[in-house]
Amino acid sequence: NAGVTQTPKFQVLKTGQSMTLQCAQDMNHEYMSWYRQDPGMGLRLIHYSVGAGITDQGEVPNGYNVSRSTTEDFPLRLLSAAPSQTSVYFCASSYSIGSGYEQYFGPGTRLTVT
Amino acid sequence: AQSVSQHNHHVILSEAASLELGCNYSYGGTVNLFWYVQYPGQHLQLLLKYFSGDPLVKGIKGFEAEFIKSKFSFNLRKPSVQWSDTAEYFCAVYFTGGGNKLTFGTGTQLKVEL
Repeated sequence: NAGVTQTPKFQVLKTGQSMTLQCAQDMNHEYMSWYRQDPGMGLRLIHYSVGAGITDQGEVPNGYNVSRSTTEDFPLRLLSAAPSQTSVYFCASSYSIGSGYEQYFGPGTRLTVT
Repeated sequence: AQSVSQHNHHVILSEAASLELGCNYSYGGTVNLFWYVQYPGQHLQLLLKYFSGDPLVKGIKGFEAEFIKSKFSFNLRKPSVQWSDTAEYFCAVYFTGGGNKLTFGTGTQLKVEL
């Protein structure tokens, strides 16, 4: 199993550009989520999905879109990049949320917006 | 709103010293509790979790944590730290009835000196 994979590992964008961060998992997990990690702020939830075709907003959803057309993939779209979106982005998946299931994290994407 | 607090933001210890990292949450209902670790340059991985049963849980690499319901706490402990324990540690809580999401604390950066 590859686990949770993310591409790209690093990305530099100019303000106003758009891009998609890719996330895929091969564990047949229903629950997938996107977090951003900023110094001193821990991980903050951007969007999540409890299954194919179902997505919902997390704590900091503004400026980001997601879709979940398959169980395996959960891309995160930045619509018009802003310097405030400079961060490290982690995708995670789990069998379910609640009931003590562990979340498995991808290696992260380090995004810089200039 | 439910929240998770980690009061120690930076901790520096010498090898063989004992470790205790605090985690408190604000919620009176049922919770699932987790500690994740992020080694330098790596993604988050699970150290240990509490779902039900014995409130003293043991995890990988000699770590343990105790769930004290009356204090809304889930502190992480290790009797003797090693240089390789240098990492960032995150407490995370799933609040039953709080939505399909995990809430993370802001993290504690641990540095172990030789």
